[in-house]
Amino acid sequence: KAGVTQTPRYLIKTRGQQVTLSCSPISGHRSVSWYQQTPGQGLQFLFEYFSETQRNKGNFPGRFSGRQFSNSRSEMNVSTLELGDSALYLCASRAGQNSPLHFGNGTRLTVT
Amino acid sequence: GQSLEQPSEVTAVEGAIVQINCTYQTSGFYGLSWYQQHDGGAPTFLSYNALDGLEETGRFSSFLSRSDSYGYLLLQELQMKDSASYFCAVGGPGRDDKIIFGKGTRLHILP
Repeated sequence: KAGVTQTPRYLIKTRGQQVTLSCSPISGHRSVSWYQQTPGQGLQFLFEYFSETQRNKGNFPGRFSGRQFSNSRSEMNVSTLELGDSALYLCASRAGQNSPLHFGNGTRLTVT
Repeated sequence: GQSLEQPSEVTAVEGAIVQINCTYQTSGFYGLSWYQQHDGGAPTFLSYNALDGLEETGRFSSFLSRSDSYGYLLLQELQMKDSASYFCAVGGPGRDDKIIFGKGTRLHILP
């Protein structure tokens, strides 16, 4: 069974631009979560989607948004990029509430 | 709100045993998980405790005390490949509760 796939692996953007990241969960997983990882801050929860509905949201500004499609694939969008948005963005899927998270390899975003 | 505390770094010797502690504060609780992340890699699931006590999986064990809001990950017979960051994580009891991670413990293993 294929794992969680995130594209692209690397992105370099300029301040003020916007970016869209993509995540394909493990087949059969309907829950997709997004995390931002920066040195010293660990994994910070962005949002979780389940069956195309945002189920929960972390404490990030409205510039961060996401959506999920009927095939469970998810996208995350960041508008008006700031230097502080440079991070590794991780997507994870899970089979159910009691199930572990399965992470993709992440998208490394650099904002210059 | 939810928060987790774990040491930022731990150093141990190859072949030894090391314990990584995690304390949490949550408005609800639905289990403590542990994840391992090697440099440049994705976090991978290690263990999960929903009830008090010890869960053992090979060289790794995880413990939970819900009354103390405390858990730990125990790694035995340390190998150099265990050098990684280890994260504890908690989820709430509700269907819509998110999984929150600690900031991670960097484990350094000396030969």
